[in-house]
Amino acid sequence: GDSVTQMEGPVTLSEEAFLTINCTYTATGYPSLFWYVQYPGEGLQLLLKATKADDKGSNKGFEATYRKETTSFHLEKGSVQVSDSAVYFCALSDGGSQGNLIFGKGTKLSVKP
Amino acid sequence: SQTIHQWPATLVQPVGSPLSLECTVEGTSNPNLYWYRQAAGRGLQLLFYSVGIGQISSEVPQNLSASRPQDRQFILSSKKLLLSDSGFYLCAWSGPSGLSYEQYFGPGTRLTVT
Repeated sequence: GDSVTQMEGPVTLSEEAFLTINCTYTATGYPSLFWYVQYPGEGLQLLLKATKADDKGSNKGFEATYRKETTSFHLEKGSVQVSDSAVYFCALSDGGSQGNLIFGKGTKLSVKP
Repeated sequence: SQTIHQWPATLVQPVGSPLSLECTVEGTSNPNLYWYRQAAGRGLQLLFYSVGIGQISSEVPQNLSASRPQDRQFILSSKKLLLSDSGFYLCAWSGPSGLSYEQYFGPGTRLTVT
């Protein structure tokens, strides 16, 4: 079945460092791909998405490119801030009528001043 | 715009007591609705999803149940809570089989079973 694999955390960075969180997927069809962010004690927020190969999703300085050839959707940010500290989830949708998402296990990011 | 509400925000219940968590969505019609559980320090586990009133699919066998009495209302219930039911419960909605499949999450309910 379809699956998502994220790099294990936690990831600790200093403010203004470059961020990469790796995400790879396995899918039989042509999934849509998503990154969600969860701040402490809150629900998940959609951060960005890409619906087809070579699409780049971007939001709040974060970017991820849908790479079909490497089945990857890595999250990047050029300069992280303390406020980016959160758990990040990669997810895919296989496009079924029920709209189910398959989530990775999440990567906790801590940014130190 | 669409909003999703969950209540209560936090709940402490003794083992063996009943449970009812409610989720409502505003600003959309005929959404797909989902219940997830997130145990401490762990990922998301899909519990139930619904594509319409009265239509519930269960992903994991357990002592929880779900109901959808109205188009934009989704309820998670239990007759007798277990210690293992503790966790962070998240409700989410998505558009009905549209062009994109992102889900939008509520603020969650923190359940502690004592």
